[in-house]
Formats: sequence, C-alpha cells, structure tokens
Amino acid sequence: QKEVEQDPGPLSVPEGAIVSLNCTYSNSAFQYFMWYRQYSRKGPELLMYTYSSGNKEDGRFTAQVDKSSKYISLFIRDSQPSDSATYLCAMSASFIGGANNLFFGTGTRLTVIP
Amino acid sequence: EAQVTQNPRYLITVTGKKLTVTCSQNMNHEYMSWYRQDPGLGLRQIYYSMNVEVTDKGDVPEGYKVSRKEKRNFPLILESPSPNQTSLYFCASSSNYRDLYEQYFGPGTRLTVT
Repeated sequence: QKEVEQDPGPLSVPEGAIVSLNCTYSNSAFQYFMWYRQYSRKGPELLMYTYSSGNKEDGRFTAQVDKSSKYISLFIRDSQPSDSATYLCAMSASFIGGANNLFFGTGTRLTVIP
Repeated sequence: EAQVTQNPRYLITVTGKKLTVTCSQNMNHEYMSWYRQDPGLGLRQIYYSMNVEVTDKGDVPEGYKVSRKEKRNFPLILESPSPNQTSLYFCASSSNYRDLYEQYFGPGTRLTVT
C-alpha cells in the first residue's frame, strides 16, 4: 500500500465551480500536510501548509485535514482558468533531517473551462 | 528574484554516455535535493544535501551521484545512464531541513535515455 493515495483525475470543471481535491494516507504519524500546485512545464510550488488537524483558509483556497479518517482535502472556490494545473498533496511525520521525510501524492490534473 | 535554476531543461542522450544536470539556487539555502517525477509514482527523492560537503541517499539513489562543493550548487551526475532513468527531474532547496515543507523547486529537466 502506498503511503499517500491521490486520484489522478483528470478533473474538468466550469469556471466558477467549487473544486474538491483529496488525498488519503496510511501513516497515522503524519502531522504536516502540504498542497503544491504544478503548472505545465514548471516545478511544484507550495500552495498551502497545515499542521495537524483542522482547516486553513487562504483566499479562495481551503485546506482541510481529518486525521481520524486519514484524509485531507483542498477546496478551491470560484475556480478560475488560471487554477488549471496539477495539484500534489504531500505529508510528513516530522522534519528531523534524513531521507524520505516527505511523501508526495501522484497529483490530480485540474482543468477549469472558461 | 529568488529562484532555483536547472540546466539543461531538455536532454536526449544514449545509454552509457555520462551526463550532468546542474542546479543552482540564489537564496543561500542549506538544504538541497533532487527528485524524479514519473507517471503514477509521484515525486521521489534521489539524493539530498543538508549543507556543503554533506550529502546522502534518498529513496531512489541507484545510478546517480551528487556533490555539494559550494552552497549554491548541487549537480546531479549520471555516470552511465540507462533507459529506466528517463524521467522528469527536479532540483529543490529549502532554508534548512526543518523547513522542508517550504521547498522551492526548479523548472525541471526532462531527460530521455535511448
């Protein structure tokens, strides 16, 4: 079983829709949760970072963590064509140095249609 | 502008011909790493460096070498490339290993080995 599972999509939505992106994980020690956005032919860039459970909001983006279900979500409100990208989830138990501290999902490709 | 640069961006080579992919960051970051991104497998860490002259293996180090002689540079060396090293490679840096969640990624190098 992979440490992190993410539906690869692709996901197509009309402009203005609410988008929900999700990841599940198996390691109950994970407590740091990240969402990265990766545009075509670019490297990933950090979008949201959450520690432990709960919600975090930043503009149109909301990150949600449910540790009891081992499930994290990223919601995008009022989606825009500029949100079209691949979204990667990532998580870690702790940043203590050493190898393989960060586990990435495979990414979900999102297209927002004008 | 704070950035991570990689060269070349695209490379097609033949089996066994040694190559080097350069990586440079201008943020005075201590931590640097190399990842490969493959469909269905996500981002996997190849090697990382906690600081100058300190490097160690990541998740998938076989067939790769690195060096960290200067803080800003972290080249990835393939001594004898094979077709299974065809992939999209990303260099990344963060201020230190404790800030690993906030890695800055380069634009990627697409390598094809025939």
